[in-house]
Amino acid sequence: DGGITQSPKYLFRKEGQNVTLSCEQNLNHDAMYWYRQDPGQGLRLIYYSQIVNDFQKGDIAEGYSVSREKKESFPLTVTSAQKNPTAFYLCASSIDPGTSDTQYFGPGTRLTVL
Amino acid sequence: RKEVEQDPGPFNVPEGATVAFNCTYSNSASQSFFWYRQDCRKEPKLLMSVYSSGNEDGRFTAQLNRASQYISLLIRDSKLSDSATYLCVVKPDYKLSFGAGTTVTVRA
Repeated sequence: DGGITQSPKYLFRKEGQNVTLSCEQNLNHDAMYWYRQDPGQGLRLIYYSQIVNDFQKGDIAEGYSVSREKKESFPLTVTSAQKNPTAFYLCASSIDPGTSDTQYFGPGTRLTVL
Repeated sequence: RKEVEQDPGPFNVPEGATVAFNCTYSNSASQSFFWYRQDCRKEPKLLMSVYSSGNEDGRFTAQLNRASQYISLLIRDSKLSDSATYLCVVKPDYKLSFGAGTTVTVRA
């Protein structure tokens, strides 16, 4: 089955720790995205990547970092510099942002800072 | 001003009823529009794209009004399974902008 997987589903972090959220897709999509969702707010873009070895900051990149070493994988690191990291994190992919607008989402990771 | 604004609801409707709601967007240059559905604590899933001429998919009808910068979603013959949050999504430039969602609850 083709799709997007995210792990872990739930993650607990102590203040001051860095954590990495996994996102993998086997859809052969070029573009991948990271969003965070907070209650009562729309999804906000953290980072996106249109091609391997390239990525750009979204609207709220501070305190986060990403890498795109493989087409299938786009991990997100939440660093200790992110002051309010508790949120629902969603990874998405699309065929090519230039030709397709439709994004497909993974099941998400709920991060809680203790 | 937010790029995409939606009435959060909730819209509580009985089974079989029709429910409709809008969202407004601020960037008049936006070219692509979508409705996504999100169930509680799950990921958003594409419900339908919204075309200039309006489009229908079964019990769901979407309309776009460029002059007034809003899109609408109408659900006919509501089912219990339609209970969800509906996200209005607009593409003003290279990225998608998401509304906070309109919650619909269908009761038996």
